[in-house]
Amino acid sequence: GENVEQHPSTLSVQEGDSAVIKCTYSDSASNYFPWYKQELGKGPQLIIDIRSNVGEKKDQRIAVTLNKTAKHFSLHITETQPEDSAVYFCAASKGGSYIPTFGRGTSLIVHP
Amino acid sequence: DVKVTQSSRYLVKRTGEKVFLECVQDMDHENMFWYRQDPGLGLRLIYFSYDVKMKEKGDIPEGYSVSREKKERFSLILESASTNQTSMYLCASSLGTVSAEQYFGPGTRLTVT
Repeated sequence: GENVEQHPSTLSVQEGDSAVIKCTYSDSASNYFPWYKQELGKGPQLIIDIRSNVGEKKDQRIAVTLNKTAKHFSLHITETQPEDSAVYFCAASKGGSYIPTFGRGTSLIVHP
Repeated sequence: DVKVTQSSRYLVKRTGEKVFLECVQDMDHENMFWYRQDPGLGLRLIYFSYDVKMKEKGDIPEGYSVSREKKERFSLILESASTNQTSMYLCASSLGTVSAEQYFGPGTRLTVT
C-alpha cells in the first residue's frame, strides 16, 4: 500500500519567516495530495490540495509544489504568523476511492 | 458549512467495558471514516464506510467494529476496551468520488483505565 513520509516532525520559526514541510509518497498511482491543518482542540481542516496534473498551486501565503518524478510534494508558508502555529498533515490518495494515507504530521511553532 | 459532530469530547472508561463513539454529519456525504490519532503516529485509519450498511477495514481494525445504519451516522464500537486503546478518535466524512476533501469532527479523547 501507500506510504507517506513527512519531515520535519517539529518546525520552529520566527514570525515573518518562511516555513517548508516536505512529504514523499511511494505509490506512483497516487494523484491527489491534500494538506490539512489541525489547531489545538480541533479536527484537521483542509487548507490546500494539488492534483497530479499540476506542478504548483498557491493560495495567498500558502503554496504546494509537486514533483511526480521524485514522488515528493511540499507545503510552503510565507510571512508566517502566530496563528499559523498548528499541526500540519500531508496525505496522498488515488482517484476513485480517494482514501488518503496521511503523513505523521509536523508541529509548526511560530514565535512572535 | 459541513458539520461533523462527535458525541463526546472526553470519555473515561474502564478496561473491559463496551464503548460506543458516535459520529453524525449533516451534508449527505457518502463516505465516513474513523481515525485514531496518537503522538508521532499521525492519523491511522480504523474503518471506513462508503454507503449505508457497508464497511471496510482500514489499517488498524483489530479490537474495533463499526455500524452505519443511517447515511448520516457512523458509530465506532470497542467491544472490550483495553488500555492500549487510550487515544484521540477522529471521525471524518467526504462526498465520495466527486470530492476527496475530508471534513473532520473535533475528536473524542478516550481514556481507558
